[in-house]
Amino acid sequence: NAGVTQTPKFQVLKTGQSMTLQCAQDMNHNSMYWYRQDPGMGLRLIYYSASEGTTDKGEVPNGYNVSRLNKREFSLRLESAAPSQTSVYFCASSEAPGTYEQYFGPGTRLTVT
Amino acid sequence: GENVEQHPSTLSVQEGDSAVIKCTYSDSASNYFPWYKQELGKRPQLIIDIRSNVGEKKDQRIAVTLNKTAKHFSLHITETQPEDSAVYFCAASRDNQGGKLIFGQGTELSVKP
Repeated sequence: NAGVTQTPKFQVLKTGQSMTLQCAQDMNHNSMYWYRQDPGMGLRLIYYSASEGTTDKGEVPNGYNVSRLNKREFSLRLESAAPSQTSVYFCASSEAPGTYEQYFGPGTRLTVT
Repeated sequence: GENVEQHPSTLSVQEGDSAVIKCTYSDSASNYFPWYKQELGKRPQLIIDIRSNVGEKKDQRIAVTLNKTAKHFSLHITETQPEDSAVYFCAASRDNQGGKLIFGQGTELSVKP
């Protein structure tokens, strides 16, 4: 099992460009999450999907959209990238919504110039 | 809103010493408290977790304690080794929130041989 995979690993964007970060899991998990990690600020939840067909905002959703494409895949879209979105983005999944272990992907390092 | 405070932000110990990291949470309904370890350039990985119906949990050299009244919980690492060097994150969540985790800011632990 690959676990949680993310593409791309690195990306550089210019201000105003758009892009989609891809995430997939092969653990048959119901819940998926997108976090961003900035120095000194820990991990902050952007959006989550408790189950296929549902998505909800987390702590910092502004400037992002998500799509739960199917049970395996959960994508994060930046419509008009801003320098403040420079960060490392992690996708995670868990067996179910609630108090279960979350498994993280390897991360995508995004720089917006 | 919900908040998790983590201290200290950096911690340096000699190999063989103990290390303690403390977190406080604001949401009294929180009932799940995981700890994640993140090595440099890697993804966060769960090392131990505790639920609110338990006051203490141990796993070899790692232990977590929870004080629900004071709304704080701590990670204890005994007999530290250089491979324990990493950033440690505490987090809190509660039922009926889709698995939404609120993370602390992280503690960078350095174990000197």
